[in-house]
Amino acid sequence: DQQVKQNSPSLSVQEGRISILNCDYTNSMFDYFLWYKKYPAEGPTFLISISSIKDKNEDGRFTVFLNKSAKHLSLHIVPSQPGDSAVYFCAASGTGNQFYFGTGTSLTVIP
Amino acid sequence: DTGVSQNPRHKITKRGQNVTFRCDPISEHNRLYWYRQTLGQGPEFLTYFQNEAQLEKSRLLSDRFSAERPKGSFSTLEIQRTEQGDSAMYLCASRLQGGMNTEAFFGQGTRLTVV
Repeated sequence: DQQVKQNSPSLSVQEGRISILNCDYTNSMFDYFLWYKKYPAEGPTFLISISSIKDKNEDGRFTVFLNKSAKHLSLHIVPSQPGDSAVYFCAASGTGNQFYFGTGTSLTVIP
Repeated sequence: DTGVSQNPRHKITKRGQNVTFRCDPISEHNRLYWYRQTLGQGPEFLTYFQNEAQLEKSRLLSDRFSAERPKGSFSTLEIQRTEQGDSAMYLCASRLQGGMNTEAFFGQGTRLTVV
């Protein structure tokens, strides 16, 4: 059962515009959420996280929003840059144990 | 510390052979995870260790798979009698698990191809 879902396999955005990547989860016990970025043939790289006690966390160009009632989180990248082109994975965990990952969204930022 | 290190980066093996992968986590991290990733999928959990204790195993981890973390430092993942369906990227991650949630850091992965 897929407890974390990323329903958009791909997204294309013009350089300088906002990229919005979405993620839904089903398990209400999840209390920690993360976004990872992955280039081909490399391991995922941590980007940003948010605890369930918050609804927003910002780090430079990256902001994660959490809507617990909707079981939805999103990653905003502003402004988008060509170097942001990668696959982005949403992940969630509960009680500090394993992470559950979505299937990823491939972001292409067009120069 | 340069991060999580995995060896080898690539492994090609014949079906039926045994393979072993190694993961060296970030030194102060007490949690170590193994994940598997196939094309078009996100990382799938296999198992994790708290120090040297293996605390959870996924049902994906058949009896052909075994993982160890003998001294709570590096870990090995062995696959016996490999099958073509074992072809995947095997990812190791480590994390410092204490009172607060923390992120996990991944290694570069080991790409296994079973021919």
